[in-house]
This record gives sequence, C-alpha cells and structure tokens, in this order.
Amino acid sequence: NAGVTQTPKFRVLKTGQSMTLLCAQDMNHEYMYWYRQDPGMGLRLIHYSVGEGTTAKGEVPDGYNVSRLKKQNFLLGLESAAPSQTSVYFCASSPPGQGMETQYFGPGTRLLVL
Amino acid sequence: GQNIDQPTEMTATEGAIVQINCTYQTSGFNGLFWYQQHAGEAPTFLSYNVLDGLEEKGRFSSFLSRSKGYSYLLLKELQMKDSASYLCAASDSNYQLIWGAGTKLIIKP
Repeated sequence: NAGVTQTPKFRVLKTGQSMTLLCAQDMNHEYMYWYRQDPGMGLRLIHYSVGEGTTAKGEVPDGYNVSRLKKQNFLLGLESAAPSQTSVYFCASSPPGQGMETQYFGPGTRLLVL
Repeated sequence: GQNIDQPTEMTATEGAIVQINCTYQTSGFNGLFWYQQHAGEAPTFLSYNVLDGLEEKGRFSSFLSRSKGYSYLLLKELQMKDSASYLCAASDSNYQLIWGAGTKLIIKP
C-alpha cells in the first residue's frame, strides 16, 4: 500500500515552459487536492476533486489546470510556468464518508521556475 | 475574511511540556485539525477536534474552545524527534481546510 505518491520529486523549468505533475493514490479515496506551500505561508489550495471526472477551483487556481480522468489519479498542469510558481506542491486525498477532511499527503514536488 | 494565527517559532527542552496555540476565524466551522510536518516532508495528521474540550492521544493532546475560536496542541515528555512544524487548520462551512502558516518547534537537549 503506497498511499499517495507524486511524480516528479523535483523539477527545474524555464519561464514559459509547461509541465504536468502526477498524483496517484491507492486508498480508493474519493477526494483529491493540490496545494502549494511557500515559506511563511500556510498551505494554499489550488484545485480539488470530489470524484472521478469532477474538478473545482480552490483559493489560488490561476495559472494551473487539473484533470481527474481516473479515480486514483489527479494531474496538475502548468501551461506557461512563471517564477511566482516556484513552490513545493503537495497532493492529498481524503477517504470516503468523511467529507473533505483528514487528508493524507504525498511527499511533495519541489518546482523551481527560472 | 478567513484567518488562522499561530506563533512562527517556539523552543523547548527535551523532556519538557510545550503548548502551541492557534486562533481561527472562518466562515462556518466544522472542526479543527493539527498536522505535524518534519522539514522536507509531507504533513501528517495528528488530531481532530469538533467539540469543545480536550482530546488526548498519548503524549499529544489537543484542546478546542469554539466560543473563543481557540485551540492548542500540548506535547508532553518532549523528544528530539518532535522537532518539526505544527500546522493548525480549520474546516470551514464548505468543509475546506484553512491552514495556518505553521509553528516551527525547536527541541533543545
């Protein structure tokens, strides 16, 4: 049981490049989330999903897109990376029946945009 | 607006007790969470309070006062491995978590 995994662990991009971050969970969780974490700030929700085929915007969605084609996977895309998107990105999932709470986190992806 | 406040950093001695405070203001309230995050790692769930009072779980306890918008995390018999950031998060009316910036706890021998 791997829990929540994220790919890649670390990436360097140039301004304007695109990339996709992959999150996978093997716990059969309905809800999945993408957060970013910056120094001195709390986790900020980018997008989330309450089930396969559904996505919704969080607190800071601009510059990001997401897809949930399969229940176990949640993809975060950056179409045109900007230095302001340098951050640590965490994916999380919640078990069914408990709402959007008790979240289980992946190990994070460190992204540097030059 | 929605806001979570907690101290930026605290220092304590191995074997001692430390209390980390958190105050919150949210649109609706569906519970208060504490997570632990070691440097360079993911947050991990510690506790959840939705009713007033103290919840004890081993060396860690968490308290909630809904009328005061206040919670604390109490860590007893501190160990060096407790050096980490402790994140307070409140669940709002939409069951979304509003996160504090975290309290970095430094344990000294």
